Amino acid sequence: EIVMTQSPLSLPVTPGEPASISCRSSHSLLHSNGYTYLDWYLQKPGEPPQLLMYLISNRASGVPDRFSGSGSGTDFTLKISRVEAEDVGVYYCMQGVQTLSTFGQGTKLEIK
Amino acid sequence: QLQLQESGPGLVKPSETLSLTCTVSGGSISNSNSYWAWIRQPPGKGLEWIGGIHDGGNTYYNPSLKSRVTISADMSKNQFSLKLSSVTAADTAVYFCAKHGLWLTLLAHWGQGILVTVSS
Repeated sequence: EIVMTQSPLSLPVTPGEPASISCRSSHSLLHSNGYTYLDWYLQKPGEPPQLLMYLISNRASGVPDRFSGSGSGTDFTLKISRVEAEDVGVYYCMQGVQTLSTFGQGTKLEIK
Repeated sequence: QLQLQESGPGLVKPSETLSLTCTVSGGSISNSNSYWAWIRQPPGKGLEWIGGIHDGGNTYYNPSLKSRVTISADMSKNQFSLKLSSVTAADTAVYFCAKHGLWLTLLAHWGQGILVTVSS
């Protein structure tokens, strides 16, 4: 099983300031087909998670361009250039390179 | 627009079998060339991928649950289902169904989730 480790687990941010979340995997997420299967999700209270990014850096439909993803191999980052109030919630990274998908523990972003 | 909706009992007794169904509308499971998944979230905790089924019938399960899990699909009803046997309180969770858009990633479509409590 690939273990996904996120940091920090709690992230207080002032509106308008940037934020960054790290996600590290216990094994490389690079598939033999050349794709790196790493997603980012945001879960707001009482809602299912919503897809933010897939294949490391591809924004899902409707996701603002203040969100960006980067990384390779085992080390990945989600960045928010300027945090807005609507960005609060729990952020999860998820890998799907093997036949078992696994999520990180989650990072709770709150507004200061 | 693709929509998924979970249904089933909200309360299951210990040692019994949890059975949930996900009804898909706005698209078809058959010929989707996609995996359709079940994911759960214990109250106040993180997400756990339970398993997925391809429209071609292939299934993958989380090894930690594999001995107790069966995921199946009824193409005629455009539904897929989850059965989890011998449940305990540790299986109490919100259960989500979702559609993978790329291999076993890219979960762009989710149901709203259903809380299942295991209690006598």
